[in-house]
Amino acid sequence: QVQLQQWGAGLLKPSETLSLTCAVYGGSFSGYYWSWIRQPPGKGLEWIGKINHSGSTNYNPSLKSRVTISIDASKNQFSLKLSSVTAADTAVYYCARETRGQVVVVAANWWYNWFDPWGQGTLVTVSS
Amino acid sequence: DIQMTQSPSSLSASVGDRVTITCRASQSISSYLNWYQQKPGKAPKLLIYAASSLQSGVPSRFSGSGSGTDFTLTISSLQPEDFATYFCQQSYTTPRTFGQGTKLEIK
Repeated sequence: QVQLQQWGAGLLKPSETLSLTCAVYGGSFSGYYWSWIRQPPGKGLEWIGKINHSGSTNYNPSLKSRVTISIDASKNQFSLKLSSVTAADTAVYYCARETRGQVVVVAANWWYNWFDPWGQGTLVTVSS
Repeated sequence: DIQMTQSPSSLSASVGDRVTITCRASQSISSYLNWYQQKPGKAPKLLIYAASSLQSGVPSRFSGSGSGTDFTLTISSLQPEDFATYFCQQSYTTPRTFGQGTKLEIK
């Protein structure tokens, strides 16, 4: 059973760089996209971006200028860096696997994606 | 970006009730719609993928339906452990986007 365990600094000052790492245990690292998602306190979920085992990335345009997602396939880990943070970046940050699977719909196979499993979440607070 | 709108934002119900939560996409997303359950202080948990496929291990009282722009999550008979917040999410395109959530509370 795949498990994701994440860690990183929980308290930052404005203008600093957020840095989080997520390790994947118990399953294949290749063949998937690995995502970061965040949730401000009491609010909804925002997808930050994703990376595959080859290092191909896709970022949310709303954060693209400040985000870097990288991968260390030798350690089954991927990381998030978010630069120039402000109070608006205060959130619980989650790592998650974007699973891709086939589903039969009207007698044909179609490929779908979903987030499962998720890491435990890391609260990052930005405060001066 | 595709906007996902859930209704209602909150809902009070009793154990044993049948509950339906709606999610509407700002454009057609075929069946590229997932549902998650989140309890306080925990990561979201996948319930339904591809609009109507039940994730392994999820009780059969949960079901999903819909395609195009309108989707529903139904809980056929509420159990005490079902009181949580529910999110829909589209996987039709990037950026992936989520609904704002529906908080299901005990009446």
